[in-house]
Amino acid sequence: DVKVTQSSRYLVKRTGEKVFLECVQDMDHENMFWYRQDPGLGLRLIYFSYDVKMKEKGDIPEGYSVSREKKERFSLILESASTNQTSMYLCATLAGGSSREQYFGPGTRLTVT
Amino acid sequence: DAKTTQPTSMDCAEGRAANLPCNHSTISGNEYVYWYRQIHSQGPQYIIHGLKNNETNEMASLIITEDRKSSTLILPHATLRDTAVYYCIVRVAVGTGANNLFFGTGTRLTVIP
Repeated sequence: DVKVTQSSRYLVKRTGEKVFLECVQDMDHENMFWYRQDPGLGLRLIYFSYDVKMKEKGDIPEGYSVSREKKERFSLILESASTNQTSMYLCATLAGGSSREQYFGPGTRLTVT
Repeated sequence: DAKTTQPTSMDCAEGRAANLPCNHSTISGNEYVYWYRQIHSQGPQYIIHGLKNNETNEMASLIITEDRKSSTLILPHATLRDTAVYYCIVRVAVGTGANNLFFGTGTRLTVIP
């Protein structure tokens, strides 16, 4: 079974803090994604990576950055957290080739106060 | 990606089949139908996908109409653990480009003892 883990299930941070969200997968998948999920807005893609050290902006990259130094790990960074970044953050992976199944982590519910 | 329409909520008796409909009348020829579900406070879980043929796996069956404008997800023997929000998504085959998943509001399935 594919396993996607995220460093925290629940996180509370203060406005202006730098926040790191970690995602680790154990299936050697090339592609990794960071989404945020908000009521009524579905999942919105923040950033994705299709290889080590490669990254592409998604639909809402502002206020975020990412890092992929190793294939199994994809980090989402909030440089200076703001209250509008309070959300559920979901990491997902996808194998290369013709595979079409994305596997999601359990999510991190981040609250910025 | 084409949009989908699903009922907001459904109930199903435990042990009975749950049939979840989805309309996707603007689906393109190269778009697949995917189903995911999300149990409260967890990440989305892939269930099944198909292009035009009916599909079955250990979790569910997917019935796609001949004109591909609608589909039905069938959980043959619903259990209490199947209570979740079910999302129907249509999208092109996933590659290395942006793979945004618009989950919409889905159908909240409640399995009743």
